[in-house]
Amino acid sequence: RKEVEQDPGPFNVPEGATVAFNCTYSNSASQSFFWYRQDCRKEPKLLMSVYSSGNEDGRFTAQLNRASQYISLLIRDSKLSDSATYLCVVNERGAGNMLTFGGGTRLMVKP
Amino acid sequence: NAGVTQTPKFQVLKTGQSMTLQCAQDMNHNSMYWYRQDPGMGLRLIYYSASEGTTDKGEVPNGYNVSRLNKREFSLRLESAAPSQTSVYFCASSETRTGELFFGEGSRLTVL
Repeated sequence: RKEVEQDPGPFNVPEGATVAFNCTYSNSASQSFFWYRQDCRKEPKLLMSVYSSGNEDGRFTAQLNRASQYISLLIRDSKLSDSATYLCVVNERGAGNMLTFGGGTRLMVKP
Repeated sequence: NAGVTQTPKFQVLKTGQSMTLQCAQDMNHNSMYWYRQDPGMGLRLIYYSASEGTTDKGEVPNGYNVSRLNKREFSLRLESAAPSQTSVYFCASSETRTGELFFGEGSRLTVL
């Protein structure tokens, strides 16, 4: 079983729609959580960190559910420019303290 | 401000050939990383360097070696390339091991 799992999609949504992605992680000791965005054939870039109380950045809202071990990303009022792959990233406290990436969820926003 | 620069951007090798991927960052970050990205697999950590003078294995180190030449530069070497090493390689840096990762543009390697 992968340590960080995401639905690969693609999620095809019309402009203006609200879309949500979930990401599950297997290690309950995980401490830090992030969403990265990766455009086609480009490098990943940090979209937002995910805080325990949830956080919002414009049209983007991230939530953490420790009991069920998942994080979510909600995008409101989708734009064509939101089309990308969204990578869930989890940091595990412990040996290495390394970031583990999910496989990504592909979003396609259509006119 | 260049950020993270990696070279070459594209490379085709024959099985058994060797090559080195170069990476440099100008953000004065302590930590540097090499990842590979394959379809459906996400990014997997090959090696990382928490600080100048130290290197450690990641999830998939076999077939690779690294050198942290100084604080700016972190190179990845394939001694004897295999088709299974066909991938996109990303170098990244961060101020701390739990901080934001800044990635280079990627190096697309094909091993025939």
